[in-house]
Amino acid sequence: SQKIEQNSEALNIQEGKTATLTCNYTNYSPAYLQWYRQDPGRGPVFLLLIRENEKEKRKERLKVTFDTTLKQSLFHITASQPADSATYLCALVGNAGNMLTFGGGTRLMVKP
Amino acid sequence: DAGVIQSPRHEVTEMGQEVTLRCKPISGHDYLFWYRQTMMRGLELLIYFNNNVPIDDSGMPEDRFSAKMPNASFSTLKIQPSEPRDSAVYFCASSGGQASNQPQHFGDGTRLSIL
Repeated sequence: SQKIEQNSEALNIQEGKTATLTCNYTNYSPAYLQWYRQDPGRGPVFLLLIRENEKEKRKERLKVTFDTTLKQSLFHITASQPADSATYLCALVGNAGNMLTFGGGTRLMVKP
Repeated sequence: DAGVIQSPRHEVTEMGQEVTLRCKPISGHDYLFWYRQTMMRGLELLIYFNNNVPIDDSGMPEDRFSAKMPNASFSTLKIQPSEPRDSAVYFCASSGGQASNQPQHFGDGTRLSIL
């Protein structure tokens, strides 16, 4: 069956370091992948979208990679700040193009 | 610009009662999505609409759940009768195009508790 896995354990890092979050998937051939940020009591907020033919996408301190051979996406936050503390969700888009399937999310804690 | 607006923010009701959740999408967006989030199952798509027409409702858990979109600026998700296992946070999202190249904009959800 299709599966999207994100590390369910919280990731704790020190301010200023680079945070790297992982999204692995099986039995899926996504054409696109999106990353969202969710704060407690709020809805997810879109961060980045990457297509299957793109290896890497950057936006300010954020970087996303997409390896369709490894069936994995990595999400990096450089020079992390306490304000980056949140849950980060990856979502896969199939070729039909309209439906997102979300991973369980990884909680990031950046300590000052 | 106003984002996606959901109401109520919190709802506590007794088992067996009818529950209606409301959503106002971002103006101009032609896709609307209803999701449910729980600790056990994460964020799951229930149903989505395109131009007010339901396209895929395969995520709706059972016949007790129904969704409507009478016009481009309003949608409802109804549960009748409600059960304790329906307790979750329900999100509405809208987008201006297909998920392949457009982000989804989420409301802040309705936290539903069925006693």
